[in-house]
Amino acid sequence: NAGVMQNPRHLVRRRGQEARLRCSPMKGHSHVYWYRQLPEEGLKFMVYLQKENIIDESGMPKERFSAEFPKEGPSILRIQQVVRGDSAAYFCASSPPGVYTLRSTGATQYFGPGTRLLVL
Amino acid sequence: KQEVTQIPAALSVPEGENLVLNCSFTDSAIYNLQWFRQDPGKGLTSLLLIQSSQREQTSGRLNASLDKSSGRSTLYIAASQPGDSATYLCASSSNTGKLIFGQGTTLQVKP
Repeated sequence: NAGVMQNPRHLVRRRGQEARLRCSPMKGHSHVYWYRQLPEEGLKFMVYLQKENIIDESGMPKERFSAEFPKEGPSILRIQQVVRGDSAAYFCASSPPGVYTLRSTGATQYFGPGTRLLVL
Repeated sequence: KQEVTQIPAALSVPEGENLVLNCSFTDSAIYNLQWFRQDPGKGLTSLLLIQSSQREQTSGRLNASLDKSSGRSTLYIAASQPGDSATYLCASSSNTGKLIFGQGTTLQVKP
């Protein structure tokens, strides 16, 4: 069972361009979370999605950022008109359906290796 | 609003020492408390998860405790090894799975 996959692993963009980050959850997982790790800062929650639904986007910047998790295909985090302050590592995590109602004693989220975005 | 704090920010110890990493959180209404390890340039690896109804979890040389009333968790690492060098992150979880992370403790174990 392959782990959470993210691509690209490294992405370089110039200011004003668009960045698209992709996350393929583990097989059977229908919940996806995106987190951002700014330089010298901890990981911050951005958005929580289930298939075709945004459940919690309280951590998403109000402008330029959007996320989707379509019925087929990976989850996409899209950043429009990138600025230097968007340079960070973006991690996605996935979890199986029902884990938060089943009170699992195992790890509830499995993290991908991250995408390192550098805005020039 | 939940806030998670980790002390110390960095720690350097000689190989073989037992050590304790501290984590505190402001809102005791957590679903669970997790400890992760992050190696430079890599993703996160889950180490231990403590449900809100539990007080501790153990895995090998690692032991994590949870005291909800005082808003504290500790990660105890026994007989530290150079391979334990990494950043250790604690995170509180809500019932939707949203994780609130501390800033991390960067550990260096010297041979």
